[in-house]
Amino acid sequence: GENVEQHPSTLSVQEGDSAVIKCTYSDSASNYFPWYKQELGKRPQLIIDIRSNVGEKKDQRIAVTLNKTAKHFSLHITETQPEDSAVYFCAASIVGTALIFGKGTTLSVSS
Amino acid sequence: DARVTQTPRHKVTEMGQEVTMRCQPILGHNTVFWYRQTMMQGLELLAYFRNRAPLDDSGMPKDRFSAEMPDATLATLKIQPSEPRDSAVYFCASGLDRVNTEAFFGQGTRLTVV
Repeated sequence: GENVEQHPSTLSVQEGDSAVIKCTYSDSASNYFPWYKQELGKRPQLIIDIRSNVGEKKDQRIAVTLNKTAKHFSLHITETQPEDSAVYFCAASIVGTALIFGKGTTLSVSS
Repeated sequence: DARVTQTPRHKVTEMGQEVTMRCQPILGHNTVFWYRQTMMQGLELLAYFRNRAPLDDSGMPKDRFSAEMPDATLATLKIQPSEPRDSAVYFCASGLDRVNTEAFFGQGTRLTVV
């Protein structure tokens, strides 16, 4: 089955800096790669996703890149703000099947 | 604003007791997932239903856990007997596999087994 590795487990940045979180997956059949943000005590919520026919997707300050050959994908957050502080999870799946999550990255943005 | 609803939000129980967690998926969604979240393991998939049929429960300890969907508006996760190592936050999520595979999460049930 699918296995997703996520790095780093913790990340501390200064406000305004960029943050990058990286994930690798094992199943070459996976074709859907979402990223979820979970604030303390809250539910995980989707922030951006990418499908295997696209190499990069951007939404304001966040972007995701996908390298299918290497089986890795990354989340990029630019101009970080304190409200970006949360746990971020990457996931992989074949469309229509269950998401398999990485173990999460705790991002801390200090002002 | 359609949301996945989970009950109870918090549950404290003694070791050996039965625990039942309930989930109401978003109306019209045909996939339901149960995840367990712990600090050490992150979000682990326990079970997955499509059109109420169980498709994958390989992540679930079969001797004590069971998951069902009695109807399209209710999913249940039961633990019997519960053990302290079951203490975690249990999330239910639902989706619509014909459109995309975004999983919409409920607020979770925080289970403490003492």
